[in-house]
Amino acid sequence: AQKVTQAQTEISVVEKEDVTLDCVYETRDTTYYLFWYKQPPSGELVFLIRRNSFDEQNEISGRYSWNFQKSTSSFNFTITASQVVDSAVYFCALSEMEAAGNKLTFGGGTRVLVKP
Amino acid sequence: DTGVSQDPRHKITKRGQNVTFRCDPISEHNRLYWYRQTLGQGPEFLTYFQNEAQLEKSRLLSDRFSAERPKGSFSTLEIQRTEQGDSAMYLCASSTRDRDGTEAFFGQGTRLTVV
Repeated sequence: AQKVTQAQTEISVVEKEDVTLDCVYETRDTTYYLFWYKQPPSGELVFLIRRNSFDEQNEISGRYSWNFQKSTSSFNFTITASQVVDSAVYFCALSEMEAAGNKLTFGGGTRVLVKP
Repeated sequence: DTGVSQDPRHKITKRGQNVTFRCDPISEHNRLYWYRQTLGQGPEFLTYFQNEAQLEKSRLLSDRFSAERPKGSFSTLEIQRTEQGDSAMYLCASSTRDRDGTEAFFGQGTRLTVV
C-alpha cells in the first residue's frame, strides 16, 4: 500500500525566509509520480509541481525548488524568499502509474504561515 | 471559466437526510475523481471514472454512497441517510489520460455539515 508522511504539521516563518517542507513516501511500485499541491484558505487544491520516479534531477521553478531522493524515498519542497501569499496548507502526494488511474495518495499536509 | 466546478459550495443537512453533490470537470478531461477531506487531514480517494465507467471505489465508499457520471460528462455524488461522520469537504478533480502522470485539477469542493 502507498503511504505519504509529512512530519511537519505547521511551520511559521517571517517573510523572505526560505521554507523547506519534508515528505517521505512508501510504495511497492517501481514507477510512480510525486506531486506537491497547495491549499489556500479558499479550499481549492492548486497543483505546484510533479516529478516521476525515473527522473531524480532536482529543479527550480521560480521560487519553488524540490529535492527528490529515491534512495531515501524523500521528496522535499522549498519555497525561497517566502511571501505572505504563500501562507497555505501544502500537501505532498503520490500516484501509481497508469493502471491505477493515477489516483493520489496524500500526506497529512503542512500548514505554512508566513508573517509580514 | 474552464476549471473544475462543484455545486453547492456548502451544504448543511440534518442527520438521516440524503444529499447530492455535482461536479463539472474540465471539458476535455476524461478522468474524474472524488476525494473526501476531513478537518486537518489530507484528501482521501473515494472513487474515479474514466469517461462514464466507474473503475475503482475505495473501501471508504460505504453502500450509502453512490457516484455516477452519465455520458462521461458531469458527475454526481449522493450520500443517503447522512451521518455526522460524513461531515467533510468533498473534492472533485479531473485529468486527462493522454499524458502519463498528468496532474489532476481540483474544484473548490463542497463542504458538508451534518447536524
